[in-house]
Parts: sequence; C-alpha cells; structure tokens
Amino acid sequence: EIVLTQSPGTVSLSPGERATLSCRASQSVDYFLAWYQQKPGQAPRLLISDASSRATGVPDRFSGSGSGTDFTLTISRLEPEDFAVFYCQHYRTSPVTFGGGTRVEF
Amino acid sequence: DVQLVESGGALVQPGGSLRLLCAASEVTFSSYAMSWVRLAPGRGLEWVAGISGTGKNTRYADSVKGRFVISRDNSQNTVHLQMNSLRVDDTALYYCAKEACIWDCGYFDFWGRGDLVTVSS
Repeated sequence: EIVLTQSPGTVSLSPGERATLSCRASQSVDYFLAWYQQKPGQAPRLLISDASSRATGVPDRFSGSGSGTDFTLTISRLEPEDFAVFYCQHYRTSPVTFGGGTRVEF
Repeated sequence: DVQLVESGGALVQPGGSLRLLCAASEVTFSSYAMSWVRLAPGRGLEWVAGISGTGKNTRYADSVKGRFVISRDNSQNTVHLQMNSLRVDDTALYYCAKEACIWDCGYFDFWGRGDLVTVSS
C-alpha cells in the first residue's frame, strides 16, 4: 500500500500568518490526493480533491498543489477558525490511505 | 447539507461482535458509495470498508477482511458494519463517510462525527 508522510507533525503559527503543509507519497499517486481538516469533536471536512480542487464552500485562502509524490496545502492567511489537524489522503489505488496528520496550533 | 449519524458503538470483549449503523439524510442515498473509516489512538486514520451505491460491490482493508461485513439498505438510507472476532487493535472511533460518486471516487465529501468502539477485557 502507498504510505503518505505528512510534515511537520505540528506547526505553531498566529492568525494572519501563512501555513504550508507537506504530504509526500511513497510512490506516485498522480493527482489523486485529497486534504481534510478536523477540529476536536467534529467530523473531518473535505477541503481539496484532485490535489488542487477546492470543495464547495471552502474559502479561497486554502489551496492545494502538487502531483506525483509531493503535495502541499497552503493556507494563505490563517483565521482563528483554521486551527485544527489536517490530513492528506490518496485515492490512486485500493486501499486508500491517509497521512498521519499535521496539527496547526496557535 | 448531508447529515451522517453513527450509532452502535460500545465496549466489547475480545472475540465479541458489534454492529454499527450509519443513518444518512439530505442525500440521494443510492447514488453514492459509502465507507467506514476509523481513527485509533496513535495510529491515524485508516479506511476500513466500502460499498457501492447499489450495494453490489464491496471492498475491505486487509486488517478486517473475513471479520467485518459492510452492507446498506437504500430504502432506509442506512449503512451497517458488522464486526466479528473483534480484537483489541480494533479499538477506535469509527466514522461513516460518503464518497462523491456511486463507486470508486476514493475520497469522501461528507463524514459523520464518529462512534467509539472499545475492545477490552
């Protein structure tokens, strides 16, 4: 199965700053990559699919890029409600797998 | 918005069985594949099982193959996960997740809040 490695594990930032989260795949997943945000006690929320397509209702401060094995989720200017754990997930083959997550904390 | 609500989680002994239910609303249910994904302490998210919109196709993670069965009732807008021969390492928060198409989209556009399954003696 394809292993996804996310970095950093935790990043400490302030509102208004830029967040850059990385996801690296153990082999190419083409563009079949999604990003999710999860806040404590809440359901995960789809942010990005197909590496760079924002889901309905997701603010444009969230952007995804990359293809093959290296992907990035960028939050251009952090809002207070953005602090959460972010997961990447590939769907190139079965089984789909998830990265270990990046916590964005204040 | 789509609402997914899980139920049926409990404390169960190793070797026991449990049946999880996911109830969906606000969606044309039979048009979408559904999956169960779990979050175990210290282990991250793990996809467990998936079923197509018609119910004809199913798929399982190797870790649960032969022990878990996913099914759906499109007349009731529900998905079930029958879990047998439970092990301590099945302990997790189990999420119901909707795929964006009838089969093989691979990503999940709506999730429930999860239900806790604890396997312990």
